[in-house]
Formats: sequence, structure tokens, C-alpha cells
Amino acid sequence: EDKVVQSPLSLVVHEGDTVTLNCSYEVTNFRSLLWYKQEKKAPTFLFMLTSSGIEKKSGRLSSILDKKELFSILNITATQTGDSAVYLCAFTSGTYKYIFGTGTRLKVLA
Amino acid sequence: DAGVTQSPTHLIKTRGQHVTLRCSPISGHKSVSWYQQVLGQGPQFIFQYYEKEERGRGNFPDRFSARQFPNYSSELNVNALLLGDSALYLCASSQPDRVYGYTFGSGTRLTVV
Repeated sequence: EDKVVQSPLSLVVHEGDTVTLNCSYEVTNFRSLLWYKQEKKAPTFLFMLTSSGIEKKSGRLSSILDKKELFSILNITATQTGDSAVYLCAFTSGTYKYIFGTGTRLKVLA
Repeated sequence: DAGVTQSPTHLIKTRGQHVTLRCSPISGHKSVSWYQQVLGQGPQFIFQYYEKEERGRGNFPDRFSARQFPNYSSELNVNALLLGDSALYLCASSQPDRVYGYTFGSGTRLTVV
């Protein structure tokens, strides 16, 4: 059965800290891996990764995929209170559905 | 441009009742997907529709059904509601190539009492 495991489940840091969120997966037919940020309701798209070893970067956020070891990490540098959210990792194994992990709840203290 | 819009935002129903949730995709998006997110869990895939046809279905009972209309909006119907159906129901739309991933709506919070 395809599955996604995220760690840690929750994390509390102070503003300015750097955090690394982990996502490991077991899939039968991997196509892409995605990261979403969910603050209240609607998850918002952060990154899509399809090729191993390529880093995607947007401001203070970056992500990399290791298809050999079947994991991805999301890094957030110089964290701010606005980064407080649940970060969801998902992969697609077919053409129509995403399989999500349970998420990592990040709280950034001022 | 309007994003993905869902209605209603909140809903309280009694066990055994029926509910209909609605979703309007981003203009130009022909694919609509439905996800159920129980508190503390990640979203779980329910259905995807593309060009008004069901493309995929998740591991949900037959009490769950959906359809897509000619204008690409969609409805999710749940019959014989159970307490365990209480969740945030998310709708997402995408372009066929899905290069930028789904765009999610803000969801409908369903509470079954």
C-alpha cells in the first residue's frame, strides 16, 4: 500500500531558527512529490518535485527530492511567525490522485 | 481571478441525513477533485472528475457520490451521514498538465451530530 510518512509530527521553534521537515514515501509508481502549506483551511501549493537531486527554492523555503532513498526535505531558513502552519507532503502515483502524509505542525514563537 | 470556491463554508447535519457540497473551479480548469480531511490528518482522496467524467475514486463507501457539470463545477453528495463523516471537505482544481499542482478551495466544514 502506498504511503507517506512525515516527521516530526510537530515542532516549536523561535523566530530566526532554521527548520528541516522530512517526508519519506513508499509508492509503486512515483510521478511527483509536492509540498503544501495549510494555515487554516485551504492548503497552498509550495513546490512540485519530479527529478531527484534538483533543489526547488522560493525565498526562504527550499526543497529537495531523493528518489533513490525515497525521501524529500523542506527547509525553512530565518523562520517568521507567519511560517506557523501545517506542512503537508504528498505524492502522485497515477494521473489523478494525491496521497498525503499527516503533516508537520510548525509553530514559530516571536 | 477567483480561486476555487466552495459552499457552504460550514454545515451541521444530523446522523442519517444527506448533504450536498458544491465547488466551482478556477476559470479554465477542467479537473475537479474532492478530498476529506479529518482533524489531525492529511487530506484523503475521494473523487476526481475531468471533463464531466469520473477519473478516479478513493476508498470511500458508496454513500459518497459526485458529479461534474458542463460548466466544470462539481457537487459531492453524502448519504446516510455518520458521525465519522465529520471533516473538512476540500475541493481542488487543476489544469490537465498539473505542472503547478492542485489549487485548493477553503473547504466545507461538516459536523455530523
